[in-house]
Order: sequence, then structure tokens, then C-alpha cells
Amino acid sequence: DTAVSQTPKYLVTQMGNDKSIKCEQNLGHDTMYWYKQDSKKFLKIMFSYNNKELIINETVPNRFSPKSPDKAHLNLHINSLELGDSAVYFCASSQWGTGTATSPLHFGNGTRLTVT
Amino acid sequence: LAKTTQPISMDSYEGQEVNITCSHNNIATNDYITWYQQFPSQGPRFIIQGYKTKVTNEVASLFIPADRKSSTLSLPRVSLSDTAVYYCLVGGPSGSARQLTFGSGTQLTVLP
Repeated sequence: DTAVSQTPKYLVTQMGNDKSIKCEQNLGHDTMYWYKQDSKKFLKIMFSYNNKELIINETVPNRFSPKSPDKAHLNLHINSLELGDSAVYFCASSQWGTGTATSPLHFGNGTRLTVT
Repeated sequence: LAKTTQPISMDSYEGQEVNITCSHNNIATNDYITWYQQFPSQGPRFIIQGYKTKVTNEVASLFIPADRKSSTLSLPRVSLSDTAVYYCLVGGPSGSARQLTFGSGTQLTVLP
């Protein structure tokens, strides 16, 4: 009954390949996110979707393409992988527009991507 | 929009109270302060959220002074299992990208 689940947990691939990471949440939230965490633990938001609509698209190379088939799923596809893409990618969800409070984020356990 | 500043690391001993402070000088009127905990190989986990004064739950307390330019996460009687990275996040209902970006957090190491 994992709240936010992402697969795979580990992904090792070579430069130039294309790969996807999948994310699903069963919390009934209407907003989902992709974060990238580098080796210094800095967590940077990449994308945010609200009810399948892209609402945040931070300065991320267009090799990264998120897709949200429904509000419970947000996948991340990465084309032409580069060494610098190596990081841990986290999916998260929250309930948007909960009055005056920022809705806490619920994170998955991450996908460690290693590009060789 | 608030940007946060935290100490990079802190050490403590089991049984002690630990206070981690986060500075957010540019906090906006409708911003809330949220703290997360991250263990190795896991995603961050929500600990506590507050707007002003003091908030307490079963895990921690959050102290916010009247000017709201800083906040302090207090962990009572820490144990080895509290060793983790702690992040503070400041943001409002609009949830902009800047508000949703975490800093590098505070690595808390609890020693026996």
C-alpha cells in the first residue's frame, strides 16, 4: 500500500540511450512532481503536473519529457542520456490548492540513475 | 519569495534535544514553513508544518518567532535513528518552482 511508488529503483545505462522512469500515487492527490537530487543533496524541482496539466517546467533540457496519462501517474522519459544526468530522481505528489497552507509533499523512494 | 539557509551539518548525542534553525528573511505573508526528514536511499518525509508561534506533534516541535524570518525545528531526546538530512521549505498556496526547491539541508548525525 505504498503511497508514492516509482520504478525502477536503480537504472544503469550508457550515454546516448533513452530511458523511462515511472511513478504512481494512490493518495488521490491531483498534483505530481519530478525532482532531481544531486550528489550534494540539493533537491531541485524539474516538473509539476496538476490534473494532467504541466504547470511547472524548470530549466530542464528538452531531452527530459514528462508524461501524465492520468492524475495518479507521472512518468519521466529521458532521451540521449548524458553523464551529467546521473542523479537520484524523486517523484512526489501533493494536494493542490488546500486553502492557505502549502500541501505537504509525499515522495517516492527515488530512482538512482547512473549513466556510464 | 523566501530562500532558506540552514547549517550544513550538526552532531548530537543520544538523548539530547536538537534544535535546527532555518533562516528565511524574505518570507511572504501567506507562506507556511514545512520541515522534511530524509534518510539515505529514501525520499524526504514530512515532519511538521507551521505558520507562526509554536506547533507540536508526536515527532517534533516547530518554533516560529513573531517576525517569521526564521524557524527552529526541535527534536526531543534524539536517538541514533534520527540521523538524517533535515530540510526546511517555505512556500504558499501558489507553490512556485522557487518555493518547491529544497536547499541542501542539514545533516544531523546522532552519536552514541
